[in-house]
Amino acid sequence: DIQLTQSPSFLSASVGDRVTITCRASQGISNYLAWYQQKPGKAPKLLIYVASTLQSGVPSRFSGSGSGTEFTLTISSLQPEDFATYYCQQLNSYPLTFGGGTKVEIK
Amino acid sequence: VQLVQSGAEVKKPGASVKVSCEASGYTFTSYYMHWVRQAPGQGLEWMGIIKPSGGGTNYAQKFQGRVTMTRDTSTSTVYMELSSLRSEDTAVYYCARRGSSASFFDFWGQGSLVTVSS
Repeated sequence: DIQLTQSPSFLSASVGDRVTITCRASQGISNYLAWYQQKPGKAPKLLIYVASTLQSGVPSRFSGSGSGTEFTLTISSLQPEDFATYYCQQLNSYPLTFGGGTKVEIK
Repeated sequence: VQLVQSGAEVKKPGASVKVSCEASGYTFTSYYMHWVRQAPGQGLEWMGIIKPSGGGTNYAQKFQGRVTMTRDTSTSTVYMELSSLRSEDTAVYYCARRGSSASFFDFWGQGSLVTVSS
């Protein structure tokens, strides 16, 4: 199975900060990586797919990059509604797997 | 697009649970459906996928032998049944539609909480 390791697992940031979350895969997954945002009590929401394509309706302050084994999600200017947990997911091969999550909290 | 799941359930260890996910707003048979679960305070765990048009399935090895995913095309509903429940199966169970390019899950159900307790 492909393991995804997210870092950090927790980060504290202020409104307006630039935030970067990293996701490392245990083997190459080309660009078959998606990012989701999850708020408490809610289902995950798709932000980015195939590593860097922004889902329709998602603000442009979110961006993704990477290929192979290393990927990043960047929020260029953190907004109050962005405080949530973020997960990466690989869709290169079954079983599909998720990273452990990164919780972004208000400093 | 809407995915509406069944309500919360409380089950005893050893029992089975069947969660439903009714789809609307798109052609049901054109999109695969995944099931994902999330234990309290934990991350997301993929369970398997079903192809609504033919009923074919692919399950995570962890759940092989305990999970059954089915569909009813007449009601645009997919089902996930998990048997031999144990306390570790306490979780929110989500259905999620596979996107057209198979590279993402684009719509999710609201989640169904299953509690396993004696």
